Amino acid sequence: EIVLTQSPGTLSLSPGERATLSCRASQSVSSSHLAWYQQEPGQAPRLLIYGASNRATGIPDRFSGSGSGTDFTLTISRLEPEDFAVYYCQQYGGSPPAWTFGQGTKVEIK
Amino acid sequence: QVQLVQSGAEVKKPGASVKVSCKASGYTFTDYFMHWVRQAPGQGLEWMGWISPNSGGTHYAQKFQGRVTVTRDTSISTTYMELSGLRSDDTALYYCTRESHNSGGYYWGDWGQGTLVTVSS
Repeated sequence: EIVLTQSPGTLSLSPGERATLSCRASQSVSSSHLAWYQQEPGQAPRLLIYGASNRATGIPDRFSGSGSGTDFTLTISRLEPEDFAVYYCQQYGGSPPAWTFGQGTKVEIK
Repeated sequence: QVQLVQSGAEVKKPGASVKVSCKASGYTFTDYFMHWVRQAPGQGLEWMGWISPNSGGTHYAQKFQGRVTVTRDTSISTTYMELSGLRSDDTALYYCTRESHNSGGYYWGDWGQGTLVTVSS
């Protein structure tokens, strides 16, 4: 199983600041199967980025994804109040193939 | 628009089984895989398995092999997830989510509202 490790566990930032979230895979991941989700308390996850770098429909351009192989990054260029939430990366692969999630990064207001 | 509407909360005793439904609307049900994901209180997301509504074919996470069964009824555009041998650590919010893909990659853009399953004696 491919393990995704997200860092940091918690990111304390102020509105307007830049957030950089990391997702590292235990083995190489196909970029087409790497996605990022945002989850607010009491809500279902919301798709942000798929294919490592493609913004989902309706996602503001302050969100961007990058990376390949084993290292992927989600960047929020300028944090808005509604961006304080938990973020998960997700991948499909391994042997046997399976979908896995990272443990999440919480972005909190400093 | 795409909607995934799940069945209501369940309370079960240890050792029992639970069956959660997910009714789809707004698209051709048989064209898209459906996944089941769960989230224990205060914890992260955990993939359980998928079903091809077209063929009925399934694939489960190793952790749940032998305990989970995902089925579908195409006549009512509904997917079901049944989990047996319930334990207290199966207490979680269970989500269905639709898989889509395009040239850019694969993604789960549509989610049910979640069904809380509580396992308690």
